Amino acid sequence: GAVVSQHPSWVICKSGTSVKIECRSLDFQATTMFWYRQFPKQSLMLMATSNEGSKATYEQGVEKDKFLINHASLTLSTLTVTSAHPEDSSFYICSALGLAGVRSGANVLTFGAGSRLTVL
Amino acid sequence: AQSVTQLGSHVSVSEGALVLLRCNYSSSVPPYLFWYVQYPNQGLQLLLKYTTGATLVKGINGFEAEFKKSETSFHLTKPSAHMSDAAEYFCAVSDGNTGNQFYFGTGTSLTVIP
Repeated sequence: GAVVSQHPSWVICKSGTSVKIECRSLDFQATTMFWYRQFPKQSLMLMATSNEGSKATYEQGVEKDKFLINHASLTLSTLTVTSAHPEDSSFYICSALGLAGVRSGANVLTFGAGSRLTVL
Repeated sequence: AQSVTQLGSHVSVSEGALVLLRCNYSSSVPPYLFWYVQYPNQGLQLLLKYTTGATLVKGINGFEAEFKKSETSFHLTKPSAHMSDAAEYFCAVSDGNTGNQFYFGTGTSLTVIP
């Protein structure tokens, strides 16, 4: 089945530094990837939609200069949290959109395992 | 536009009891419906999906869900809860025509009591 790899799984950094999180589709091509933020015991908050070869589409209230998204290839999207601060500490999850199969014809979201960011 | 409502942010069941997690959706077009499970500190894993065809769909770990168009529901069930089922469950809907936008419910936390 489809697999999405997300790295790193946990990162701790000092305030003011930048952190890059990678999201890779391992066995399928994903023209569209999504980035979410999740606070403890809450649902997913969509941050942005990332399309290969074009600029990401950010949801309202998400600072695009703060959360830089690059979708350089059909299998890789990156999220860079620039000048991170403690309030950026969160669980970040990516997902990739791919076909569920010829029979169903439906797109299925496959999620990465998530990346926990702790900013000191 | 689509939206999803999950009734009950927390559900507790005894081990061996029936699990019922409710999901109602709103969609102006034929929907695709999904249930995802999230274990602590992990990403989301697809449990099952409905696209077309049989309205009762079976997923992994003994879970199943039934698409009821008249009730705009897609409730998730499992006949007998296991301790390992304790997790967060998310219902999602996407546009059945394009399938490119996914809308998630707020999630239901399932606790299994020994």
